[in-house]
Amino acid sequence: DSGVTQTPKHLITATGQRVTLRCSPRSGDLSVYWYQQSLDQGLQFLIQYYNGEERAKGNILERFSAQQFPDLHSELNLSSLELGDSALYFCASSASGVTDTQYFGPGTRLTVL
Amino acid sequence: AQSVTQPDIHITVSEGASLELRCNYSYGATPYLFWYVQSPGQGLQLLLKYFSGDTLVQGIKGFEAEFKRSQSSFNLRKPSVHWSDAAEYFCAVVTTSGTYKYIFGTGTRLKVLA
Repeated sequence: DSGVTQTPKHLITATGQRVTLRCSPRSGDLSVYWYQQSLDQGLQFLIQYYNGEERAKGNILERFSAQQFPDLHSELNLSSLELGDSALYFCASSASGVTDTQYFGPGTRLTVL
Repeated sequence: AQSVTQPDIHITVSEGASLELRCNYSYGATPYLFWYVQSPGQGLQLLLKYFSGDTLVQGIKGFEAEFKRSQSSFNLRKPSVHWSDAAEYFCAVVTTSGTYKYIFGTGTRLKVLA
């Protein structure tokens, strides 16, 4: 158990819908990272937040957004969903920055029908 | 553009045999380098990382990796593989100029024969 929790574990929704994925980092960790893993695209970094501020941005679509709240939990919002958004979405947390070990959550499996 | 290549999609070794998983990157400077392992149905776990200094890095579970600047490589090794090492292994690079970019390889799936 990494100490990072993600909810829900599974999500099934329809095209055009909007969903929110939630992540609670390990106690004391200030950074949260979001990743997408799919058969087509492999593992892709989406975005990093550090203590509530966006720190780094990867291949995150404009239809996707994220935020980190004062209690340090983070949410990833996916809107206007398409079939191709079906994937496993991981959250990770680290103490601070890029040189710190990232601890990954178990993931949320999103299926868009 | 920056990239990470793991040339072997699948590797099969016998239990007790040695293992080497290859990773090459394309980047103008020395990036931060990582190896992760992903067991079926689970998230990733960091095996080891390299930022600078000694080019031979020791990690968890008996793994080590060697950074070779001249070959832009960061290969993962283990002298004796255990059945529990069967998993998918990802090499990752973080570029260090300007905004950080996290780039993962496509992964190598390891099968271990008893």
